[in-house]
Amino acid sequence: EVQLVQSGAEVKKPGESLKISCKGSGYSFTSYWIGWVRQMPGKGLEWMGIIYPGDSDTRYSPSFQGQVTISADKSISTAYLQWSSLKASDTAMYYCARLPRPAGDYGDYWGQGTLVTVSS
Amino acid sequence: NFMLTQPHSVSESPGKTVTISCTRSSGSIASNYVQWYQQRPGSSPTTVIYEDNQRPSGVPDRFSGSIDSSSNSASLTISGLKTEDEADYYCQSYDSSNLHWVFGGGTKLTVL
Repeated sequence: EVQLVQSGAEVKKPGESLKISCKGSGYSFTSYWIGWVRQMPGKGLEWMGIIYPGDSDTRYSPSFQGQVTISADKSISTAYLQWSSLKASDTAMYYCARLPRPAGDYGDYWGQGTLVTVSS
Repeated sequence: NFMLTQPHSVSESPGKTVTISCTRSSGSIASNYVQWYQQRPGSSPTTVIYEDNQRPSGVPDRFSGSIDSSSNSASLTISGLKTEDEADYYCQSYDSSNLHWVFGGGTKLTVL
């Protein structure tokens, strides 16, 4: 069974760093892209970027380029989304998804989400 | 670059059929696959339609997807509506020019 299990909710202060995770199981982790999607409170889904764990090829949405870093550790089948200096506007739910096609053009399985709250 | 436009909300009665549209602003809707994601309140998204009209295993055949080149839009149709179908639905496609995903703004379906 394909599963994506994300790390737990985080409460941080502005300026702090953070790394959240998404662990894949039930499939060959290195053979599928993983994508990250943001959902701000009461808002829609926003595509942030994707990574191919096999070779760490990464693509970012222009809206998030330079704001976050997407990475993966294939030895433990885990993808990461990290911030070096959080802002209050980073408060959101973050979802990871597996992308079933080589083009990385959509998601099939989704993680349960990680709620990030940034508040002073 | 293109946008996907969905109605903000739709409502229909149990047992009826509802169709949610997703219109592509530029370029052909047929150029890239369209997916539909269901997001129930407090839950993560799930894929209900992929590659325009394919249903993942476990998704009831009450859900169907299609594309219409004449209106440059995709549609999600849910027949035999159930209260459990009440959710937000997002269409999503892919921009080949920059290899980026594009989401529609989402449609809130109310089953009353």
